[in-house]
Amino acid sequence: DAGVIQSPRHEVTEMGQEVTLRCKPISGHDYLFWYRQTMMRGLELLIYFNNNVPIDDSGMPEDRFSAKMPNASFSNLKIQPSEPRDSAVYFCASSLNRGLFTEAFFGQGTRLTVV
Amino acid sequence: AQKVTQAQTEISVVEKEDVTLDCVYETRDTTYYLFWYKQPPSGELVFLIRRNSFDEQNEISGRYSWNFQKSTSSFNFTITASQVVDSAVYFCALSYGSSNTGKLIFGQGTTLQVKP
Repeated sequence: DAGVIQSPRHEVTEMGQEVTLRCKPISGHDYLFWYRQTMMRGLELLIYFNNNVPIDDSGMPEDRFSAKMPNASFSNLKIQPSEPRDSAVYFCASSLNRGLFTEAFFGQGTRLTVV
Repeated sequence: AQKVTQAQTEISVVEKEDVTLDCVYETRDTTYYLFWYKQPPSGELVFLIRRNSFDEQNEISGRYSWNFQKSTSSFNFTITASQVVDSAVYFCALSYGSSNTGKLIFGQGTTLQVKP
């Protein structure tokens, strides 16, 4: 398997523009997570899905952020409008719930810069 | 509240030295899972190990070893005979609840620099 695939790897956008980050989880995994990494706050969970259904979006910072998972093989995270403080590395991860033996596998991240 | 603390922000060692990365966690759940991830300079997060709260056996994998002690709520990671390729940021993480979904609470990370 190719692992979790995120696109784009790097994104530079101007303040106010809409940004869409994409994720393809590992085939067969039933959980998908979006994390954000910043120097100030470290790695923090934004939202996660189980079987394409959002379970917990309490980490989404503002209404400007939204995430969807229209099917088992794709999720996107949108920021509209983007602001400079949204600059961060955004990671997507997926996992398969096997009880005690679950771990999340991460994509390579999307480095977002909002200028 | 659930929390993971990695008190060491940065560690610098010379190649071939042993180094231990500390991790202390807080949770009220009796069922939980602990993880270590490595983030090399290229930026991806690489899974290293998983341990559940019912298994306090220490584990060794090559030059890596992990010491899990529930009595002190610690899950420390030791690299023996460190190498330059071990230079990375290492994250300890906690997943709690009876259903291990892979949802993680991360520590702040420890940056390890191994000098030749």
